[in-house]
Amino acid sequence: GESVGLHLPTLSVQEGDNSIINCAYSNSASDYFIWYKQESGKGPQFIIDIRSNMDKRQGQRVTVLLNKTVKHLSLQIAATQPGDSAVYFCAEKSSGDKLTFGTGTRLAVRP
Amino acid sequence: DAGVIQSPRHEVTEMGQEVTLRCKPISGHNSLFWYRQTMMRGLELLIYFNNNVPIDDSGMPEDRFSAKMPNASFSTLKIQPSEPRDSAVYFCASSRDRVGHTEAFFGQGTRLTVV
Repeated sequence: GESVGLHLPTLSVQEGDNSIINCAYSNSASDYFIWYKQESGKGPQFIIDIRSNMDKRQGQRVTVLLNKTVKHLSLQIAATQPGDSAVYFCAEKSSGDKLTFGTGTRLAVRP
Repeated sequence: DAGVIQSPRHEVTEMGQEVTLRCKPISGHNSLFWYRQTMMRGLELLIYFNNNVPIDDSGMPEDRFSAKMPNASFSTLKIQPSEPRDSAVYFCASSRDRVGHTEAFFGQGTRLTVV
């Protein structure tokens, strides 16, 4: 069988700095996008969402940017904290309620 | 609300045995999803239901896998017979159809180990 697993890209940031996590999606028909955070041993947790008729949405310490021209999504976390350390997934919805997840990015926060 | 509840949290079984994973979605949610997560393939959608009806099962690996949703508050994912390559974390998620917002809420997952 396969011996090589998914190589998750890792973003290492200093505590207090801002983090930017990027995601490229594949389906130009996708009309809804979500960022999820997954901590070790837990299920993915909703962070923020954005519809395709918007290009920016802000939450508490987080901002999602959507560039439909290049099919790119980003998650910005302000003043990154140790509790932000996790794997972050973007997900896209193109039809019905079916969400397709990206491979994820690991965020490591240095104290 | 207790959130999406999955059981068991951990399951260790021998190859060839039947495994049944259970899920209770959030009350009022009418879409339910089963995902599998492995190091090799990441998070994969296996099947999803809307109003208890299977809508898309194209992610189900093979006939050994089956899922049911007999009512709005319960779903099962069954593997028979199980194989070591089925070892993974299986997540159930639910969402409520709302115009503009259809985020899915995940359970804690069931870690399955087939030996």
